Amino acid sequence: QSVLTQPPSVSAAPGQKVTISCSGSSSNIGNNYVSWYQQLPGTAPKLLIYDNNKRPSGIPDRFSGSKSGTSATLGITGLQTGDEADYYCGTWDSSLSAGGVFGGGTKLTVL
Amino acid sequence: EVQLLESGGGLVQPGGSLRLSCAASGFTFSSYAMSWVRQAPGKGLEWVSAISGSGGSTYYADSVKGRFTISRDNSKNTLYLQMNSLRAEDTAVYYCAKYRGYYRAGSSQYAEYFQHWGQGTLVTVSS
Repeated sequence: QSVLTQPPSVSAAPGQKVTISCSGSSSNIGNNYVSWYQQLPGTAPKLLIYDNNKRPSGIPDRFSGSKSGTSATLGITGLQTGDEADYYCGTWDSSLSAGGVFGGGTKLTVL
Repeated sequence: EVQLLESGGGLVQPGGSLRLSCAASGFTFSSYAMSWVRQAPGKGLEWVSAISGSGGSTYYADSVKGRFTISRDNSKNTLYLQMNSLRAEDTAVYYCAKYRGYYRAGSSQYAEYFQHWGQGTLVTVSS
């Protein structure tokens, strides 16, 4: 059971837009910054978004992040077949067992 | 170009030990915190441990506290994870990652993210 809750799967057609939600609590998302990662099949994760909504160099602006209260959202526009991957949200949890936490991951299928 | 190359994974019996290494290049290793993140087969990501650039501060997930030790040798640009008292549930691909963690200026909110990742090394704990 992951600390952060993500939908197991989402799907959309090429060219469309999709959003992936990440729900937490006041000890994690509510009071800390969120990051997002893309994991293509058989590869290591890759940073997509940090500090809630910033993109590292080389990440296209089709990818965006936002946060409101204890939830965060990853948005992907202009979907491409190459976007098929698992997506994870992550943040710091400031509870007694302080440490990094991740969502369970969301499998994106581009139909 | 940042490169992180893990090694040391393999098959180990329950209760055994293993030491993972991560050779870093392409950045000033001693200036950055580093971390280990693992992924059990078919499962999601799990934060394991982090260490400051100097090595003076270390952090562990409850699931590994007291059994795993993170360390680094800045003269060799290498990160380590000593794993003792291994259990079946420690079976996973272990990734090392260049880690950024800080409080934003004027904020009590902590920003953490894993900027670059290695390709991972598989640890299998089984008899």
